[in-house]
Amino acid sequence: DAGITQSPRHKVTETGTPVTLRCHQTENHRYMYWYRQDPGHGLRLIHYSYGVKDTDKGEVSDGYSVSRSKTEDFLLTLESATSSQTSVYFCAISPPRDTTPYNEQFFGPGTRLTVL
Amino acid sequence: AQTVTQSQPEMSVQEAETVTLSCTYDTSESDYYLFWYKQPPSRQMILVIRQEAYKQQNATENRFSVNFQKAAKSFSLKISDSQLGDAAMYFCAYRSGSNAGNMLTFGGGTRLMVKP
Repeated sequence: DAGITQSPRHKVTETGTPVTLRCHQTENHRYMYWYRQDPGHGLRLIHYSYGVKDTDKGEVSDGYSVSRSKTEDFLLTLESATSSQTSVYFCAISPPRDTTPYNEQFFGPGTRLTVL
Repeated sequence: AQTVTQSQPEMSVQEAETVTLSCTYDTSESDYYLFWYKQPPSRQMILVIRQEAYKQQNATENRFSVNFQKAAKSFSLKISDSQLGDAAMYFCAYRSGSNAGNMLTFGGGTRLMVKP
């Protein structure tokens, strides 16, 4: 199994508070991703990173920011949490194309976030 | 933008029988990759099978196989000899061959129930 951990695994917070989720990998993969999972929507991409300090927006990036200061860590921040951000958040990593043409993504265990 | 559709929100199968989960996608590209992920109650996303669009041969992984119909933009998953442990959410995902970030687009998922 790919070495991916997420912390915390569960969090309950109040509307308007800042929240940071952490993704940590031990695979030294270049690409990292943050998704959210909501019923009926599958997983939707929030932000992704293609290297240290290199990030870009995904499909549902409003209200979220990310940072990647080290290869192994990718942080997702909700600056001011809202109830619509209640969701399960997944981090994923992907090996570079020179190792596999499929660039399949491997996922962390997920973080359940509840915003009251 | 590409879209992925899983038209069956729920499916059920008798243990030891065969079941097919449907997935269609919309794209104008010729170079892409398709994936099926399994999400059991543990919430972990597990890669089940993958297919490259340029390969005509359908991918097979043990009891899991796909029926890839490129012209019809269809990518169905067949599970043979279903087992209780196959009960899970199944997600179909698409990755463009040209997108540098290797991002995945997911379908909404199909919940598979296995009856003993």
